Amino acid sequence: NAGVMQNPRHLVRRRGQEARLRCSPMKGHSHVYWYRQLPEEGLKFMVYLQKENIIDESGMPKERFSAEFPKEGPSILRIQQVVRGDSAAYFCASSGGVQETQYFGPGTRLLVL
Amino acid sequence: QKEVEQNSGPLSVPEGAIASLNCTYSDRGSQSFFWYRQYSGKSPELIMFIYSNGDKEDGRFTAQLNKASQYVSLLIRDSQPSDSATYLCAVDTGRRALTFGSGTRLQVQP
Repeated sequence: NAGVMQNPRHLVRRRGQEARLRCSPMKGHSHVYWYRQLPEEGLKFMVYLQKENIIDESGMPKERFSAEFPKEGPSILRIQQVVRGDSAAYFCASSGGVQETQYFGPGTRLLVL
Repeated sequence: QKEVEQNSGPLSVPEGAIASLNCTYSDRGSQSFFWYRQYSGKSPELIMFIYSNGDKEDGRFTAQLNKASQYVSLLIRDSQPSDSATYLCAVDTGRRALTFGSGTRLQVQP
């Protein structure tokens, strides 16, 4: 499967725990984007990364959220000390080089109890 | 004013009809425009992209862009019940980060 992969697909955390969401881009793609979709709301951009670099994090909340895309391995979106308002679907998308078109992964549905 | 605006719908059309979905955007520097389809509980799926003024056709889908009016639309010909979904308009202002509209829910009645 050459598509964008995300895991886990579903994640349940209690308030105060940490959530780690992983994303492997489509084969040949080096650009990764994270978006969040709150219940009954639209998709909101969070962060754009290339290997070992954060290019644009203008959509990331200032606290508790971080993202990385290491030289080896998947991109990781990390949410520390989760709160109920973090419950949402988190989508990763990837694009390759000059091609701007972004293709989305299946998403991780985070539920905070 | 929202950056990307769409009518939330639902837009209801009979099977076989043309569905017309509209989107306006506020940033005149926007460069690339995308239509995604999202079924309930699923991830966005790319339908079309358009960069230049005019029409772009792909099978039953036609995207139309008018940069002067800051308007982009998607036409779906011969609509099928399987086309029932939420259609998301997305705009890239050159930063690569996509700004999405809230989506239009399309219902195709058999």
